[in-house]
Amino acid sequence: QSVLTQPPSVSGAPGQRVTISCTGSSSNIGAGYDVHWYQQLPGTAPKLLIYGNSNRPSGVPDRFSGSKSGTSASLAITGLQAEDEADYYCQSYDSSLRVFGGGTKLTVL
Amino acid sequence: QVQLQESGPGLVKPSQTLSLTCTVSGGSISSGSYYWSWIRQPAGKGLEWIGRIYTSGSTNYNPSLKSRVTISVDTSKNQFSLKLSSVTAADTAVYYCARERYSSSSRYMDVWGKGTTVTVSS
Repeated sequence: QSVLTQPPSVSGAPGQRVTISCTGSSSNIGAGYDVHWYQQLPGTAPKLLIYGNSNRPSGVPDRFSGSKSGTSASLAITGLQAEDEADYYCQSYDSSLRVFGGGTKLTVL
Repeated sequence: QVQLQESGPGLVKPSQTLSLTCTVSGGSISSGSYYWSWIRQPAGKGLEWIGRIYTSGSTNYNPSLKSRVTISVDTSKNQFSLKLSSVTAADTAVYYCARERYSSSSRYMDVWGKGTTVTVSS
């Protein structure tokens, strides 16, 4: 059971917009700690996608955006592309722990 | 740019100690304000943070593993290491090392190694 809750899977057709939710609690996201998102392509290491709730590292397309409200956060992907098919993880901070969501598998139809 | 590379045995016997090293290249492990972390991922499952170290030697471990984990740093070699004792099959996973950025409200891993698979089996 992960500290942060994500849907196991989402899907969308090329060009569409999808969102992935990440629900926490008053001891992590709700306590004011930032949410970060990672993309893990099949067989590879996770890659930082969004940091500090809504910031993109250099090189990450602006099709990816993040937001946070209350005890939850969301990752939005617009203009879906086949190469976006991957697992996505949210991560925050809780009682000195770095906590992750269980991951969401994005399927591009 | 900074790169991380994990190394160590791919097979460990039950009850023995898993030992991995992460070599940092492209920059000094002592420069900047970073933590250095270990994360693992069992096959087909999610990510679990194991612990982190600062170059001063201060550590912070996941309580679920704390009794079995030791993370150390060797700044002269630009490396940090993980030891996990009394391993069982449940410790079989891909182990990643990562650089961690931190602030008052934020901890996140901005650079990851490619990962190394460790199997616990007799």
